Amino acid sequence: DTGVSQNPRHKITKRGQNVTFRCDPISEHNRLYWYRQTLGQGPEFLTYFQNEAQLEKSRLLSDRFSAERPKGSFSTLEIQRTEQGDSAMYLCASSSDRVDYGYTFGSGTRLTVV
Amino acid sequence: QKEVEQNSGPLSVPEGAIASLNCTYSDRVSQSFFWYRQYSGKSPELIMSIYSNGDKEDGRFTAQLNKASQYVSLLIRDSQPSDSATYLCAVDAGGYNKLIFGAGTRLAVHP
Repeated sequence: DTGVSQNPRHKITKRGQNVTFRCDPISEHNRLYWYRQTLGQGPEFLTYFQNEAQLEKSRLLSDRFSAERPKGSFSTLEIQRTEQGDSAMYLCASSSDRVDYGYTFGSGTRLTVV
Repeated sequence: QKEVEQNSGPLSVPEGAIASLNCTYSDRVSQSFFWYRQYSGKSPELIMSIYSNGDKEDGRFTAQLNKASQYVSLLIRDSQPSDSATYLCAVDAGGYNKLIFGAGTRLAVHP
């Protein structure tokens, strides 16, 4: 297992376009998290899945954002009608059943909306 | 609103010195505490976890936890230039559902 994989690493898009990011967690981890990080800030929680169930969503996650984890394996995060304020690093992390064991983060997808 | 507060820095220390990084948190029910290191342009990397009051040592790193004061710290002994990074404090939000991160402290170790 090579850890948490995220694709693409970088994405530049025009305002108003839709974008989709993919995350492949560590195979034995059943919890998957999406965070967003802007310059000079810590990661902000967006949403988390336990297996295929999306159990919590932040109020930061507007209706333009949607996340899925079909079959409890990989996850996708889609942003519709992107805005310049969506420019950030989108981080995926996975953990075992107990988050008190900590997360493993992927390398992130850096989104730039122009 | 559950919060994790860190001094943004930069904290500048000479090579070989001890770097001391501090974090306070607001949620008294938090039970698990983590320190992540993040190099510029990279993703966070877990370096320490602590669950009980007191000190926990791992190599050059020591995490300290005081739940009564809602305070957690990280000491880095014999600091090296390669330790220059942003250090993120993370606290479980209760119920083991997610971690809340501070904004991070930027550490600069100069030769």
